[in-house]
Amino acid sequence: GAGVSQSPRYKVAKRGQDVALRCDPISGHVSLFWYQQALGQGPEFLTYFQNEAQLDKSGLPSDRFFAERPEGSVSTLKIQRTQQEDSAVYLCASSQGRTRVTEAFFGQGTRLTVV
Amino acid sequence: GNSVTQMEGPVTLSEEAFLTINCTYTATGYPSLFWYVQYPGEGLQLLLKATKADDKGSNKGFEATYRKETTSFHLEKGSVQVSDSAVYFCALDQAGTALIFGKGTTLSVSS
Repeated sequence: GAGVSQSPRYKVAKRGQDVALRCDPISGHVSLFWYQQALGQGPEFLTYFQNEAQLDKSGLPSDRFFAERPEGSVSTLKIQRTQQEDSAVYLCASSQGRTRVTEAFFGQGTRLTVV
Repeated sequence: GNSVTQMEGPVTLSEEAFLTINCTYTATGYPSLFWYVQYPGEGLQLLLKATKADDKGSNKGFEATYRKETTSFHLEKGSVQVSDSAVYFCALDQAGTALIFGKGTTLSVSS
Protein backbone atom coordinates (compact mmCIF):
# COMPACT_ATOMS: atom_id res chain seq x y z
CA GLY A 1 0.00 0.00 0.00
CA ALA A 2 0.94 3.64 -0.20
CA GLY A 3 1.22 4.20 3.54
CA VAL A 4 1.35 2.47 6.90
CA SER A 5 -1.92 0.69 7.54
CA GLN A 6 -3.22 -0.25 10.97
CA SER A 7 -6.21 -2.37 11.91
CA PRO A 8 -8.62 -2.21 13.49
CA ARG A 9 -9.01 1.55 13.68
CA TYR A 10 -11.09 1.23 16.84
CA LYS A 11 -11.24 -1.56 19.42
CA VAL A 12 -13.35 -1.79 22.53
CA ALA A 13 -12.27 -4.53 24.93
CA LYS A 14 -13.64 -5.66 28.24
CA ARG A 15 -11.15 -5.60 31.09
CA GLY A 16 -9.26 -8.87 31.15
CA GLN A 17 -9.71 -9.56 27.44
CA ASP A 18 -6.73 -10.14 25.13
CA VAL A 19 -6.36 -7.92 22.04
CA ALA A 20 -4.19 -8.00 18.92
CA LEU A 21 -3.40 -4.90 16.89
CA ARG A 22 -2.02 -5.19 13.37
CA CYS A 23 0.41 -2.99 11.47
CA ASP A 24 1.18 -3.22 7.75
CA PRO A 25 4.27 -1.09 7.13
CA ILE A 26 5.30 0.49 3.85
CA SER A 27 6.65 -2.23 1.58
CA GLY A 28 10.41 -2.61 1.87
CA HIS A 29 10.75 -0.60 5.05
CA VAL A 30 13.32 -2.16 7.32
CA SER A 31 12.49 -0.45 10.61
CA LEU A 32 9.17 -0.66 12.43
CA PHE A 33 8.16 1.10 15.63
CA TRP A 34 5.22 0.94 18.02
CA TYR A 35 4.19 3.91 20.12
CA GLN A 36 1.46 4.42 22.72
CA GLN A 37 -0.36 7.77 22.85
CA ALA A 38 -2.53 8.48 25.85
CA LEU A 39 -5.21 11.16 25.62
CA GLY A 40 -3.67 14.63 25.59
CA GLN A 41 -0.12 13.29 25.52
CA GLY A 42 2.57 12.79 22.94
CA PRO A 43 3.40 9.34 21.62
CA GLU A 44 5.64 7.21 23.84
CA PHE A 45 7.97 4.55 22.46
CA LEU A 46 7.08 0.92 23.05
CA THR A 47 9.28 -1.24 20.84
CA TYR A 48 11.44 -1.32 17.70
CA PHE A 49 12.07 -3.94 15.02
CA GLN A 50 14.74 -4.09 12.37
CA ASN A 51 13.37 -6.60 9.89
CA GLU A 52 12.19 -9.52 12.04
CA ALA A 53 14.53 -8.77 14.94
CA GLN A 54 13.10 -6.97 17.96
CA LEU A 55 16.08 -4.80 18.88
CA ASP A 56 14.50 -2.73 21.63
CA LYS A 57 11.49 -3.46 23.79
CA SER A 58 12.43 -1.18 26.65
CA GLY A 59 9.23 0.84 26.34
CA LEU A 60 6.78 -2.02 26.82
CA PRO A 61 5.01 -1.14 30.09
CA SER A 62 4.54 -4.68 31.39
CA ASP A 63 4.91 -8.31 30.45
CA ARG A 64 1.28 -8.23 29.30
CA PHE A 65 2.51 -6.45 26.16
CA PHE A 66 4.09 -8.50 23.42
CA ALA A 67 5.03 -7.61 19.83
CA GLU A 68 6.20 -9.68 16.91
CA ARG A 69 7.19 -9.27 13.28
CA PRO A 70 7.92 -12.85 12.22
CA GLU A 71 8.61 -12.30 8.52
CA GLY A 72 10.00 -8.81 8.71
CA SER A 73 6.90 -7.09 7.30
CA VAL A 74 3.54 -7.17 9.13
CA SER A 75 3.73 -6.67 12.88
CA THR A 76 1.27 -7.48 15.65
CA LEU A 77 1.10 -5.88 19.07
CA LYS A 78 -0.67 -8.11 21.56
CA ILE A 79 -1.95 -7.02 24.93
CA GLN A 80 -3.00 -9.73 27.35
CA ARG A 81 -5.51 -9.28 30.19
CA THR A 82 -6.22 -5.66 29.23
CA GLN A 83 -6.56 -3.08 31.97
CA GLN A 84 -8.23 0.34 31.89
CA GLU A 85 -4.85 2.07 31.89
CA ASP A 86 -4.12 0.39 28.54
CA SER A 87 -6.73 2.65 26.90
CA ALA A 88 -4.81 4.75 24.36
CA VAL A 89 -4.08 5.15 20.68
CA TYR A 90 -1.44 2.70 19.48
CA LEU A 91 0.66 4.05 16.63
CA CYS A 92 2.81 2.11 14.24
CA ALA A 93 5.55 3.71 12.17
CA SER A 94 8.01 2.42 9.61
CA SER A 95 11.13 3.80 8.02
CA GLN A 96 13.38 2.77 5.21
CA GLY A 97 16.66 3.05 7.04
CA ARG A 98 18.36 0.92 9.62
CA THR A 99 18.79 3.76 12.08
CA ARG A 100 16.14 5.70 13.91
CA VAL A 101 17.12 9.14 12.66
CA THR A 102 15.62 8.66 9.23
CA GLU A 103 12.09 9.79 8.57
CA ALA A 104 9.45 7.55 10.04
CA PHE A 105 6.00 7.29 8.43
CA PHE A 106 3.12 6.83 10.84
CA GLY A 107 -0.16 4.97 10.49
CA GLN A 108 -3.45 6.44 11.66
CA GLY A 109 -3.37 4.37 14.80
CA THR A 110 -5.68 2.00 16.62
CA ARG A 111 -7.77 3.56 19.38
CA LEU A 112 -8.15 1.00 22.17
CA THR A 113 -10.78 1.56 24.83
CA VAL A 114 -10.88 -0.86 27.76
CA VAL A 115 -14.19 -0.90 29.62
CA GLY B 1 16.90 11.71 30.78
CA ASN B 2 16.00 13.22 27.44
CA SER B 3 12.79 15.19 27.28
CA VAL B 4 10.85 17.70 25.21
CA THR B 5 8.68 20.51 26.55
CA GLN B 6 6.35 22.46 24.28
CA MET B 7 3.89 25.21 24.98
CA GLU B 8 0.44 24.14 26.01
CA GLY B 9 -2.46 24.88 23.78
CA PRO B 10 -4.84 25.37 22.38
CA VAL B 11 -3.49 28.18 20.26
CA THR B 12 -6.27 30.08 18.51
CA LEU B 13 -5.40 32.46 15.68
CA SER B 14 -7.08 34.31 12.87
CA GLU B 15 -6.08 33.58 9.30
CA GLU B 16 -2.86 35.38 8.22
CA ALA B 17 -1.66 35.82 11.81
CA PHE B 18 1.91 35.02 12.86
CA LEU B 19 2.45 31.70 14.62
CA THR B 20 5.02 30.67 17.19
CA ILE B 21 4.93 27.37 19.07
CA ASN B 22 7.71 27.11 21.61
CA CYS B 23 9.71 23.92 22.09
CA THR B 24 12.66 23.32 24.40
CA TYR B 25 14.54 20.12 24.98
CA THR B 26 16.82 18.38 27.45
CA ALA B 27 19.35 15.96 26.04
CA THR B 28 22.95 14.92 26.29
CA GLY B 29 25.03 15.25 23.19
CA TYR B 30 23.62 16.39 19.88
CA PRO B 31 20.11 15.14 19.11
CA SER B 32 18.23 15.63 15.87
CA LEU B 33 15.07 17.71 16.27
CA PHE B 34 11.74 17.36 14.51
CA TRP B 35 8.30 18.86 14.19
CA TYR B 36 5.48 16.45 13.37
CA VAL B 37 1.93 17.47 12.51
CA GLN B 38 -1.30 15.54 12.92
CA TYR B 39 -4.22 16.79 10.83
CA PRO B 40 -7.72 15.73 11.91
CA GLY B 41 -8.33 12.07 11.07
CA GLU B 42 -4.82 11.50 9.77
CA GLY B 43 -1.59 9.98 11.03
CA LEU B 44 1.45 11.89 12.24
CA GLN B 45 3.46 13.45 9.42
CA LEU B 46 6.96 14.83 9.50
CA LEU B 47 6.77 18.60 8.98
CA LEU B 48 10.44 19.56 9.22
CA LYS B 49 13.68 18.55 10.85
CA ALA B 50 17.17 19.80 11.78
CA THR B 51 20.12 17.59 12.56
CA LYS B 52 22.71 19.98 13.98
CA ALA B 53 23.06 23.30 15.74
CA ASP B 54 22.06 26.40 13.74
CA ASP B 55 20.35 24.31 11.07
CA LYS B 56 17.00 25.68 9.92
CA GLY B 57 14.31 23.23 8.90
CA SER B 58 11.54 24.52 6.66
CA ASN B 59 8.47 23.18 4.88
CA LYS B 60 5.08 24.53 3.77
CA GLY B 61 5.97 28.01 5.07
CA PHE B 62 6.90 26.69 8.52
CA GLU B 63 10.40 27.19 9.91
CA ALA B 64 12.33 26.15 13.00
CA THR B 65 15.97 26.80 13.92
CA TYR B 66 18.03 24.44 16.08
CA ARG B 67 19.39 26.64 18.88
CA LYS B 68 21.86 24.76 21.02
CA GLU B 69 22.62 27.71 23.30
CA THR B 70 18.99 27.95 24.37
CA THR B 71 18.14 24.26 23.74
CA SER B 72 15.17 25.35 21.67
CA PHE B 73 13.48 24.52 18.38
CA HIS B 74 10.56 26.94 18.12
CA LEU B 75 8.12 26.53 15.22
CA GLU B 76 7.14 29.66 13.30
CA LYS B 77 4.98 30.60 10.35
CA GLY B 78 4.49 34.10 9.07
CA SER B 79 0.88 33.78 7.90
CA VAL B 80 -1.26 30.85 9.00
CA GLN B 81 -4.17 29.43 7.03
CA VAL B 82 -7.29 27.60 8.13
CA SER B 83 -5.79 24.45 6.65
CA ASP B 84 -2.94 24.64 9.17
CA SER B 85 -5.33 23.71 11.98
CA ALA B 86 -3.85 20.57 13.50
CA VAL B 87 -1.90 19.22 16.45
CA TYR B 88 1.85 19.92 16.33
CA PHE B 89 4.43 17.76 18.11
CA CYS B 90 8.04 18.63 18.78
CA ALA B 91 10.35 15.60 19.02
CA LEU B 92 13.98 14.65 19.40
CA ASP B 93 15.99 11.64 18.28
CA GLN B 94 19.37 10.85 19.71
CA ALA B 95 21.48 8.04 18.33
CA GLY B 96 20.52 4.82 20.05
CA THR B 97 17.12 6.03 21.27
CA ALA B 98 13.63 6.27 19.85
CA LEU B 99 11.78 9.48 19.07
CA ILE B 100 10.83 11.42 22.22
CA PHE B 101 7.78 13.61 21.74
CA GLY B 102 6.36 16.61 23.51
CA LYS B 103 2.72 16.59 24.57
CA GLY B 104 1.52 18.37 21.47
CA THR B 105 0.03 21.80 20.81
CA THR B 106 -3.37 22.17 19.19
CA LEU B 107 -3.61 25.00 16.67
CA SER B 108 -6.98 26.31 15.58
CA VAL B 109 -7.12 28.90 12.79
CA SER B 110 -10.34 30.71 11.95
CA SER B 111 -11.20 32.68 8.83
